[in-house]
Amino acid sequence: AQSVSQHNHHVILSEAASLELGCNYSYGGTVNLFWYVQYPGQHLQLLLKYFSGDPLVKGIKGFEAEFIKSKFSFNLRKPSVQWSDTAEYFCAVNGPGNQFYFGTGTSLTVIP
Amino acid sequence: GAVVSQHPSRVICKSGTSVKIECRSLDFQATTMFWYRQFPKQSLMLMATSNEGSKATYEQGVEKDKFLINHASLTLSTLTVTSAHPEDSSFYICSARAGTDTQYFGPGTRLTVL
Repeated sequence: AQSVSQHNHHVILSEAASLELGCNYSYGGTVNLFWYVQYPGQHLQLLLKYFSGDPLVKGIKGFEAEFIKSKFSFNLRKPSVQWSDTAEYFCAVNGPGNQFYFGTGTSLTVIP
Repeated sequence: GAVVSQHPSRVICKSGTSVKIECRSLDFQATTMFWYRQFPKQSLMLMATSNEGSKATYEQGVEKDKFLINHASLTLSTLTVTSAHPEDSSFYICSARAGTDTQYFGPGTRLTVL
């Protein structure tokens, strides 16, 4: 079975700091990759996705992610975080079998 | 963007009763819907995949007789927690997908079993 791992469980940053959240998956075939965000009290929202093409994907709110196939990674980045980025971030992988697998999530706290 | 709704948003029930949760795709037809369970401070755990007009596919360890899923139309899937117990208390989230593209998530249903 596929697995998705997020190495950072809880990240605390000051505003304007740069962010990188790690995501690695285990499946070796063709996958679709996603980052979702869950703001406090809200439901999951799509930040960005990668299906094919340019491995550097830009999403909403200044987020981007880079797919590195050789490393089975899809790390999320943002050059300068804001207090409003405080949320839970989930990496997800969709492979054959019509299923989604989520990472354990990373809780980001941005200090004003 | 695509909108998915869930009803109810919060439900409290007595142990032994059954609870039905609805998941609707409001502005698109969802060929596939997914049901997840999320524990506090944890990730989403996929419970089952529901395809319109066919039986749901349950993940290992999920009791199909306890968590009944019906995907009666392209815009509606229901999850019924039968004979609920306190350990079933959780946050249940559905998502809907059209074709092979992105999943869109509902706002979740908080179930508390007394």
